[in-house]
Amino acid sequence: GIQVEQSPPDLILQEGANSTLRCNFSDSVNNLQWFHQNPWGQLINLFYIPSGTKQNGRLSATTVATERYSLLYISSSQTTDSGVYFCAVEHPSRNQGGKLIFGQGTELSVKP
Amino acid sequence: DAGVIQSPRHEVTEMGQEVTLRCKPISGHNSLFWYRQTMMRGLELLIYFNNNVPIDDSGMPEDRFSAKMPNASFSTLKIQPSEPRDSAVYFCASSLSGTEQAFFGQGTRLTVV
Repeated sequence: GIQVEQSPPDLILQEGANSTLRCNFSDSVNNLQWFHQNPWGQLINLFYIPSGTKQNGRLSATTVATERYSLLYISSSQTTDSGVYFCAVEHPSRNQGGKLIFGQGTELSVKP
Repeated sequence: DAGVIQSPRHEVTEMGQEVTLRCKPISGHNSLFWYRQTMMRGLELLIYFNNNVPIDDSGMPEDRFSAKMPNASFSTLKIQPSEPRDSAVYFCASSLSGTEQAFFGQGTRLTVV
């Protein structure tokens, strides 16, 4: 099956710093999403980005589908950005459409 | 819309008991997913439904697990009998057509003692 690898596994930032999280996937995918799991456990959908670049405030994401990777940029980080960031891809097979496969996540800690 | 609603938020039960987790997807979404999150295995898809029909249940760990979706606004995940290794956070998610953004509920933290 598809392998989803995220890096780095852990990241500690000082408030105000910028960071880039990476997601590599082993096969063509229909769909890629980035999620943030906050310290209370809630999973928040950040981006639906099968290709191209999107921006939402201090966050932006870029997916290069032909090279099988996606990047999540966090600028001017805040303590509320802390948590685990997951990349999830959708299997391309027609009979498995909709099945999201998650990476192991990047745990981000932003210090004041 | 209130988002995906799961109940209960927390469940503590004794080994051997039946556990039923509930989910109400976002109105209008036609795909529903059940995930399990553990430290060891991360987020795993257990089963997903499209238009109330189970499409892929290959992630359901054992026959002790079963899931139903009797209508577009309700789904259950049942574990019978429960075991301590079933302890995890169980998430329900929904999306439109299964290929758009997936939205997650707040999860049910299950502890089997």
